[in-house]
Amino acid sequence: NAGVTQTPKFQVLKTGQSMTLQCAQDMNHEYMSWYRQDPGMGLRLIHYSVGAGITDQGEVPNGYNVSRSTTEDFPLRLLSAAPSQTSVYFCASRNSLNQPQHFGDGTRLSIL
Amino acid sequence: AQSVTQPDIHITVSEGASLELRCNYSYGATPYLFWYVQSPGQGLQLLLKYFSGDTLVQGIKGFEAEFKRSQSSFNLRKPSVHWSDAAEYFCAVGAPTYSGAGSYQLTFGKGTKLSVIP
Repeated sequence: NAGVTQTPKFQVLKTGQSMTLQCAQDMNHEYMSWYRQDPGMGLRLIHYSVGAGITDQGEVPNGYNVSRSTTEDFPLRLLSAAPSQTSVYFCASRNSLNQPQHFGDGTRLSIL
Repeated sequence: AQSVTQPDIHITVSEGASLELRCNYSYGATPYLFWYVQSPGQGLQLLLKYFSGDTLVQGIKGFEAEFKRSQSSFNLRKPSVHWSDAAEYFCAVGAPTYSGAGSYQLTFGKGTKLSVIP
């Protein structure tokens, strides 16, 4: 039972580079979301999706793009990485009903 | 929009002592309430949740929380802390959205770091 799988676990980028953080879940969950965690800030919602083909912005969406072509996958794209995007990124998923979210183990991203 | 306040950034308790972590929320109606725990370098694990019904909620690892509407609080408690409870604890509020039945969006508090003295 894999749950929510995030890849890579660690990544170092240079300013201006682009990359995609992968998130996959095998629980057939409709709702998926991306958070970033910064010291003293808790988790802040970047983008979320309520189903394939449907995405929306969260609290801190600038600099990030998402798409949801399948139920299983919800990649997060950094188009032009900036040092302010250095953070730990968590993907989460849940059923659309009254169920709690399942979190991945996170991707630690450093941008130089 | 909803918000969550965890007043204590860092708490230190002795092993075997009781624990209470505070959480206050701001939301116009009854929200969904959660407590998550995060060990260093790990993801978040759900401790317990409140959606409706009994206001005293039992969770995993011996934790419980009580929803008090009049105080807009959802404090986490444990009668006897173990060294393995040292971690960071996050309270979260889920406000229902119009995206579908039971759909909600989570807002997290900034966390309380718990240290346990042997």
